[in-house]
Amino acid sequence: AQSVTQPDIHITVSEGASLELRCNYSYGATPYLFWYVQSPGQGLQLLLKYFSGDTLVQGIKGFEAEFKRSQSSFNLRKPSVHWSDAAEYFCAVDPTSGTYKYIFGTGTRLKVLA
Amino acid sequence: GAVVSQHPSRVICKSGTSVKIECRSLDFQATTMFWYRQFPKQSLMLMATSNEGSKATYEQGVEKDKFLINHASLTLSTLTVTSAHPEDSSFYICSATDGQNTEAFFGQGTRLTVV
Repeated sequence: AQSVTQPDIHITVSEGASLELRCNYSYGATPYLFWYVQSPGQGLQLLLKYFSGDTLVQGIKGFEAEFKRSQSSFNLRKPSVHWSDAAEYFCAVDPTSGTYKYIFGTGTRLKVLA
Repeated sequence: GAVVSQHPSRVICKSGTSVKIECRSLDFQATTMFWYRQFPKQSLMLMATSNEGSKATYEQGVEKDKFLINHASLTLSTLTVTSAHPEDSSFYICSATDGQNTEAFFGQGTRLTVV
């Protein structure tokens, strides 16, 4: 079945440490790919997106993500985490690249230790 | 980027009553809007798609008579939860597109609590 998988439900890192959040999708063609962040009780903020071209994309707040077609992955990274990055992170896919109907992963809750 | 505004941000209603949530595109014409639902500690699930001037298309398992969607103008879509029950308590969030961008834009969400 078509799906978006975020294998890590919770991740805890120390402030200043590096971060990688995993996302895998199971769609045949290359979909449009997104990472969103959601703070408690808040809406979604777009961190970055991939449509085509350079497989390493830069986003806001120092985040980047790399699209790997061979692995059907779109992992989110940040070299040095700040306490304010603690939030829920969602990977999302537009499976038919332009329908705007997003399929979301189950989310990864990030906790940052001081 | 384009701005989508939802109102209200929080609402509490009594069981059996109806509640309306608005989703507005502030600086673009939203030909299509989408409604998602997020249960506590879960992901977002697409409920329905609405095109301006047309009937909404509901995802499998979503009761169209309970979740009434109206998209009467290019800047406004409304979701009405009819005869709300506690199990309808959730976070509802909309997104919108003018069909020209490569992404849809999300509202801030509405936290509905049915007591």
